[in-house]
Amino acid sequence: IAGITQAPTSQILAAGRRMTLRCTQDMRHNAMYWYRQDLGLGLRLIHYSNTAGTTGKGEVPDGYSVSRANTDDFPLTLASAVPSQTSVYFCASSERSAIPNEQFFGPGTRLTVL
Amino acid sequence: GQNIDQPTEMTATEGAIVQINCTYQTSGFNGLFWYQQHAGEAPTFLSYNVLDGLEEKGRFSSFLSRSKGYSYLLLKELQMKDSASYLCAVMDSNYQLIWGAGTKLIIKP
Repeated sequence: IAGITQAPTSQILAAGRRMTLRCTQDMRHNAMYWYRQDLGLGLRLIHYSNTAGTTGKGEVPDGYSVSRANTDDFPLTLASAVPSQTSVYFCASSERSAIPNEQFFGPGTRLTVL
Repeated sequence: GQNIDQPTEMTATEGAIVQINCTYQTSGFNGLFWYQQHAGEAPTFLSYNVLDGLEEKGRFSSFLSRSKGYSYLLLKELQMKDSASYLCAVMDSNYQLIWGAGTKLIIKP
């Protein structure tokens, strides 16, 4: 693989169910991010990780959790999905020491919560 | 609060020039980014400005005025494949990106 992969590509989920969105990068970037993108709104940061073993909350963290056990993987978990979590989810990574430290995005996961 | 403003939609003609503006108010500034996003796809990096002035990269140029909190993306010799959304984002004092809602650019033949 080259770049960032996300799985699944799309998912329809019943409200109240638990769901984990997967994200893997092979660029050895230290930082990783989860965003959601909704129509008419900019990308909003859910959680981020500046380096393996650390995570932080973004703008809209409620209802989501993340872990960063190693450099490559950054899964996002919805403990009990609600309809307002219907969105397109993008994972991204960057090398924080690089200039510019642009973010590289995965292809996204389209999630529908009914 | 932090805010990024850009027009919702613009229309231009193939072969012409279009300028997409972005104004921002953020807590701190560590650079401004422009991304392109085709419908149904991921955003891809276009340009980065951290100093005032114009950065040129082929048909695309980006300008920054830090004192005015203003940037624009200039696209020349428009092609149909340039039909996409263009996202403006500012890196704040915590080195996190604050994103505008994006400008949908429609190219007509």
